[in-house]
Amino acid sequence: KQEVTQIPAALSVPEGENLVLNCSFTDSAIYNLQWFRQDPGKGLTSLLLIQSSQREQTSGRLNASLDKSSGRSTLYIAASQPGDSATYLCAVIGTAGNKLTFGGGTRVLVKP
Amino acid sequence: DADVTQTPRNRITKTGKRIMLECSQTKGHDRMYWYRQDPGLGLRLIYYSFDVKDINKGEISDGYSVSRQAQAKFSLSLESAIPNQTALYFCATSDSGGRGSEAFFGQGTRLTVV
Repeated sequence: KQEVTQIPAALSVPEGENLVLNCSFTDSAIYNLQWFRQDPGKGLTSLLLIQSSQREQTSGRLNASLDKSSGRSTLYIAASQPGDSATYLCAVIGTAGNKLTFGGGTRVLVKP
Repeated sequence: DADVTQTPRNRITKTGKRIMLECSQTKGHDRMYWYRQDPGLGLRLIYYSFDVKDINKGEISDGYSVSRQAQAKFSLSLESAIPNQTALYFCATSDSGGRGSEAFFGQGTRLTVV
């Protein structure tokens, strides 16, 4: 059974600092990995999708890397802003069953 | 308009009542999912459907049922609601795309069972 872990569960940084969010998964047989942002009580907004054959994806200040063999992905957010405060979730789609399995999320607070 | 729409957005219901949560999508995706989110437990898959005739149980399907009325509509029912079904419920869609594609989520339904 696929298990996805995000450590730390919470993170607080001063504005301007770079954010590094970690995601690990136990089964490397995945199609892709997706990073989401969730604001309190709101839905999930897709940030980046990395296919299993890719090593990284970039969108603006966001960069996500994927090391499938070691079961790890990292989301980097450059020059953090207070508006980046949210919970960030990673999820993988496994080749068995084609279902999204989520990590528990990292709650980020960027202090002005 | 949102690509994935859930109704209602908020609902309070009594124990033992039947309730239906609805999801519709305009993305033209064939795959649809229902998740629930609980503090400390993350998002857990309830049911998923890869097309109108394909319905599958997720990891926590007990106490729930679903109906895929059309490619664009996927409803979740609680036959007899109980308080521990109080949670935030999300519908999601994705395209089959052969190898799994980007998933899109609705804004959620906050359900409270009293």
